Amino acid sequence: GAVVSQHPSWVICKSGTSVKIECRSLDFQATTMFWYRQFPKQSLMLMATSNEGSKATYEQGVEKDKFLINHASLTLSTLTVTSAHPEDSSFYICSARDLIGGSGGPTDTQYFGPGTRLTVL
Amino acid sequence: GQNIDQPTEMTATEGAIVQINCTYQTSGFNGLFWYQQHAGEAPTFLSYNVLDGLEEKGRFSSFLSRSKGYSYLLLKELQMKDSASYLCAVMDSNYQLIWGAGTKLIIKP
Repeated sequence: GAVVSQHPSWVICKSGTSVKIECRSLDFQATTMFWYRQFPKQSLMLMATSNEGSKATYEQGVEKDKFLINHASLTLSTLTVTSAHPEDSSFYICSARDLIGGSGGPTDTQYFGPGTRLTVL
Repeated sequence: GQNIDQPTEMTATEGAIVQINCTYQTSGFNGLFWYQQHAGEAPTFLSYNVLDGLEEKGRFSSFLSRSKGYSYLLLKELQMKDSASYLCAVMDSNYQLIWGAGTKLIIKP
């Protein structure tokens, strides 16, 4: 089945520092990856859609200069939280879109990475 | 607007059957997905329906009626490990996933 990895799985940083989170699709090519944020006991919130080789599309209310997204290859997208503050502490989850079913599952299915828990002190 | 409705919480007994319903109103339809999410973990893919009818996969089955904008996830022979949130998501005409808020399923011995 499809495997999407995320690194790191958790990170603790000081306020004002930047944190980079990597998302990789391991057994299929993903022209599109998605970044979500999830606060405790709340549902997923889509932050941005990342397309390989082009600029990310951000959802309303998400600051693109704060949450930098790079999708340089068909298997890797990165999210950088710049100048992190305690209110940015959250569970960040990426998903990769398997458009053609290369993973062996249905076409056009999103598979999630395990998530990155960010704590900003 | 676009809307996905599913119950907030359900309780069931180990070994029993539970049905989690999902109704949707979206701009276009390109498939409905069910995901399972354990507390503190990312969602995992369970099922995909794009045509009307029932899709069975082991203890889990998913049903779709496009004319009614309705789906359900059926879990049989419930196990304690099935305690999780179950997310319903619809892919709209722009191939964007619209997410429900999730149904928290509590399994009691």
